[in-house]
Amino acid sequence: QKEVEQNSGPLSVPEGAIASLNCTYSDRGSQSFFWYRQYSGKSPELIMSIYSNGDKEDGRFTAQLNKASQYVSLLIRDSQPSDSATYLCAVNRLGGNNRLAFGKGNQVVVIP
Amino acid sequence: EAGVAQSPRYKIIEKRQSVAFWCNPISGHATLYWYQQILGQGPKLLIQFQNNGVVDDSQLPKDRFSAERLKGVDSTLKIQPAKLEDSAVYLCASSLAGAVDTQYFGPGTRLTVL
Repeated sequence: QKEVEQNSGPLSVPEGAIASLNCTYSDRGSQSFFWYRQYSGKSPELIMSIYSNGDKEDGRFTAQLNKASQYVSLLIRDSQPSDSATYLCAVNRLGGNNRLAFGKGNQVVVIP
Repeated sequence: EAGVAQSPRYKIIEKRQSVAFWCNPISGHATLYWYQQILGQGPKLLIQFQNNGVVDDSQLPKDRFSAERLKGVDSTLKIQPAKLEDSAVYLCASSLAGAVDTQYFGPGTRLTVL
C-alpha cells in the first residue's frame, strides 16, 4: 500500500465551477497534511496546510481533513484557468524529521 | 528574499557517466532536502540534511548516489554511474528547522540519461 494515494485521473472543470481532489494516506499516525500546486515544468508550491480534523479555508481553496478515515481533500471554488496544474498531496509522518511523502498528483484542467 | 537556487537547470548525459547537481538553500534554512521526481510521479525524498549532518538517507541508492553539505549551507548531489532510470527532475528544498515547517522548492534540474 502506497503511503499517499491520489487515484483520480485528470480532472476537467469549467471555469467558475468547483474542483474537488481527494487523497488517502496509510500511516494513521500522520500529523501534518499539505497540498502543493505544480505547474508544468515548474517546482511544487505550497498552497494549503492542515493539521487538525475539519475544514480550513484560504481564499478560493478549502482543505478538509478526516483522520479517522485517513483522507484529506482540496476544494477549489470559482476555478480559474490559472488553476490548471497538477496538485500534489503530501503527508508528514509521525516522528519524521519533516519528511514528506507525496502522492503522484492529480492534474486539473480548467476550461474557459 | 532569494529562493532556493539550483544548477544546472538541464543536463543530458550518456549512461554510465557521472553528473553533479548543486543547491543553495534560502539563507538561514538549516534543513535541506534532495528529491527525485520521475515524470508522472510525486517527488521522492532522497536525502535530508540538518545543517551538515544527514538526518534521513533511507531512500538514497547509495551504490551510485552521494550527497554532501560540508559547511551546512550549499549542497551537492552526485550520481556515478548514471542509469537510464535516473532520468528525472532533481529538486532541492529547504526549510527552517522544525517538525512542520514549510519546505520551499528550487526550480529543479532536469536530467536526461541516454
